Formats: sequence, C-alpha cells, structure tokens
Amino acid sequence: DAGVTQSPTHLIKTRGQQVTLRCSPKSGHDTVSWYQQALGQGPQFIFQYYEEEERQRGNFPDRFSGHQFPNYSSELNVNALLLGDSALYLCASSHRDTYNSPLHFGNGTRLTVT
Amino acid sequence: RKEVEQDPGPFNVPEGATVAFNCTYSNSASQSFFWYRQDCRKEPKLLMSVYSSGNEDGRFTAQLNRASQYISLLIRDSKLSDSATYLCVVLNAGKSTFGDGTTLTVKP
Repeated sequence: DAGVTQSPTHLIKTRGQQVTLRCSPKSGHDTVSWYQQALGQGPQFIFQYYEEEERQRGNFPDRFSGHQFPNYSSELNVNALLLGDSALYLCASSHRDTYNSPLHFGNGTRLTVT
Repeated sequence: RKEVEQDPGPFNVPEGATVAFNCTYSNSASQSFFWYRQDCRKEPKLLMSVYSSGNEDGRFTAQLNRASQYISLLIRDSKLSDSATYLCVVLNAGKSTFGDGTTLTVKP
C-alpha cells in the first residue's frame, strides 16, 4: 500500500524563481494538505485541496498556489521565491469522510532558496 | 498568541527517566488531538491520539483536559531511541494545527 509520495526530495532555487512541488496521496485518500516547516518550528498550514478545489487556506500570500488533479494528486507552486521560503514542504493526505482523522505525511521536499 | 503552544525544551534526560510534555490550545471548538514524533530532518509521524479518558500505548500515556484546553504526553522508562521532537496537534474542521514541538534528548 503506497503511502504519500512527494517529489523532488531536494531542490535549490534562486531568489525570484518559481518552483513546483508534487504530491501523490496515500491510496484511498482524496484530500491533500500542504504545510511549510521552517527550521525550529512546527509545520504551518498552507492550504488544503479536495475535489480539485482549494477548501481551506492558511496565512500565506498569493505567491503560494496549488492544484489538485482528478487522480487526487496535487501540486504546490511558489512564485517569486524569497530567501524566507527556504523550508521543508510537507504534503499530507486524508479522506474527506474521516476529516478529523490524523494526517499521513510524505517525506517532504526540502527547498533551499539562494 | 499561537493557537497551539508547547514548551520548546530542550528536555535532556537520562535513560530510564520519566518525562512529561505539555501543550495548550486556544480554540475550544477543536475536535481531535494527537501527538506526533519528528526525527531530525524527517517528516512527522503519528505517535498517538489523545482522548479525555486518557490513552496508553506501552510506555506512552496521553491525556486531554478539555476544560483547561490542555494536552499532555508522559513517557516512562525513556530510551535512547525516544530522542526526537514531539509535536502537539489540534484538529478542527479538517485542518490540523501544529505546535512548534518539544525536543527530547535521552542520554546514556
């Protein structure tokens, strides 16, 4: 049973560039949530996708956008990268019918902005 | 004020010690509560759910006090392998909010 998979594992970008991160949810899950985790902090909620629409959003600027595909996989896009965007980006999946069940995380994408 | 607050530690304890972590949350409508464990540079992994009646999993005991909006995690007989960051998580309407974590180092 495949868990949550994310790609790429690591990424180095230059300030001002754009980046796309990818996530495939755990089998049977239809909801994808994205989190940003800076060093020394807990994961911060970016947004959540269900039925190909953004359902909830945290306090992140519009530079952060996403997409969910019919197969439930998801992308996180960040435009005009800033040095402060350097972080571990985590994708988590769940099922809408058990929305208060715990999240299952992928291994994360470590983004470094130089 | 953060929605979920934890004592960041670090907690440095000898093997065999008992250690307790605390967490408070601000949203009284919160519905589910969890403890996650995160090893260095890895993703968070679910440790256990937290209920008002309390629950125990081996050396780990978690407790929820809804009236005080307080969650605790007790680790008995600490092992070297327990060294990690422990994250308190509060879930409401499908959105999980994390504390910043408490770092535990268990020493020989």
